Amino acid sequence: GENVEQHPSTLSVQEGDSAVIKCTYSDSASNYFPWYKQELGKGPQLIIDIRSNVGEKKDQRIAVTLNKAAKHFSLHITETQPEDSAVYFCAASKGQGGKLIFGQGTELSVKP
Amino acid sequence: EPEVTQTPSHQVTQMGQEVILRCVPISNHLYFYWYRQILGQKVEFLVSFYNNEISEKSEIFDDQFSVERPDGSNFTLKIRSTKLEDSAMYFCATLLAGGLDTQYFGPGTRLTVL
Repeated sequence: GENVEQHPSTLSVQEGDSAVIKCTYSDSASNYFPWYKQELGKGPQLIIDIRSNVGEKKDQRIAVTLNKAAKHFSLHITETQPEDSAVYFCAASKGQGGKLIFGQGTELSVKP
Repeated sequence: EPEVTQTPSHQVTQMGQEVILRCVPISNHLYFYWYRQILGQKVEFLVSFYNNEISEKSEIFDDQFSVERPDGSNFTLKIRSTKLEDSAMYFCATLLAGGLDTQYFGPGTRLTVL
C-alpha cells in the first residue's frame, strides 16, 4: 500500500551545522513531495515542496532533493538556527487534489 | 496572508457523545481535507471533499464520521458517537486547485474523549 518512511526520528545538531532528513515512498505514482514544519501545539506549515519533474529545489537555507528512480527524497537545512527546532514531516501525493501520505516525523533539536 | 481557521481549539467530550469540529477554509479554495494526529504519531488522512462530495476517504473514516459544507463557508467533521481512541488532534487542510498541490493546514482541534 501507500507508505512513506522517514528517518531519523530524532536529530540533534549544533547551531550552524547542517541537518539532513530522508524519506522513502512506496507508490511510484506519487509526483508531489512537500515538507512541513510543525511547532508545538500548531498545525503543519509548508516549508518547501518539489515535484517529480525536478531533481532539486532550494529556498535560502533549505533544499530538497528527489531521486525518483530510488523513490527517495531528502530535506537539507544548512546553517541551522535554534528557531529551526521543530518536528519536520515529509509527505507524498499523487497530485490532482489527492491526499497526503505523511512520514513519521523527525524531531530536530538545534543546540545553541 | 489568508489562513485556515478551526474551532474549537480544544474539545473535551464524554465517550458516546457527538462532536462537530469546524473549519473555515481559505477563500477560493476548492479542495478540503481532514487529517488527524494521535499524540506522538504521524499525521493520518481521513477524508477529502471536492465539489460538495467526498472524493476519497481512509479506512479510519467509518460510518461514525461525516463531513459537510453546510453554508458554503464552514467545512465540518462530525463524529456521531465518540470513542476513547478518537482522542487526537484533528487538522483541516485546504487546497486551491487549478493544478496547484499545496495543502494549507489549520491550527487543529485537540479532541479529548473521556
